[in-house]
Amino acid sequence: AQKITQTQPGMFVQEKEAVTLDCTYDTSDPSYGLFWYKQPSSGEMIFLIYQGSYDQQNATEGRYSLNFQKARKSANLVISASQLGDSAMYFCAMKRGGYQKVTFGTGTKLQVIP
Amino acid sequence: EAGVAQSPRYKIIEKRQSVAFWCNPISGHATLYWYQQILGQGPKLLIQFQNNGVVDDSQLPKDRFSAERLKGVDSTLKIQPAKLEDSAVYLCASSFDRTGRHEQYFGPGTRLTVT
Repeated sequence: AQKITQTQPGMFVQEKEAVTLDCTYDTSDPSYGLFWYKQPSSGEMIFLIYQGSYDQQNATEGRYSLNFQKARKSANLVISASQLGDSAMYFCAMKRGGYQKVTFGTGTKLQVIP
Repeated sequence: EAGVAQSPRYKIIEKRQSVAFWCNPISGHATLYWYQQILGQGPKLLIQFQNNGVVDDSQLPKDRFSAERLKGVDSTLKIQPAKLEDSAVYLCASSFDRTGRHEQYFGPGTRLTVT
């Protein structure tokens, strides 16, 4: 079964500090992709970063980086220099298969403390 | 470029009534998704369209939910009759394979309350 696991229901981080949000996945497909989305309290889902299973380097997008460890089947999101606006729910998701079926994790609620 | 549009934004109905949600994806996006997000949970895929064909509807409660995407553009999701447990936010998303990533762009969602 294809599965995404986020074991941290909630996290706190001090403003300007870095934080790592955990995500593990399980799939038998050799080709897959991993995403992180942010969902602020307003409700919209915002795409943050993507990592393909064949990508040799870890993805980075500004203050976001993805720590991809293929053998461990983990794809942790690292947010550097946290800002108050980073307070939100964060979802890890995986796509696989020819039609790009997507499965989401249960999310981690991040709260940035001033 | 306009984003994914959804309407209505909010809907309150009584159980056993019917309701319909509308979604207009980003122009040119071939893939359209409908998700159900219950408070405190991650989005659950209800149905995925590739152009106007259904790719995955394995988690769609077909006895009460239906969806269509006529002409491969906008889409409608219907619930008939609604149950209390259908109270959730219904998210529509679309994607297009420009880079192989297929990242999804989400609409603002429709918050449904069934009383």
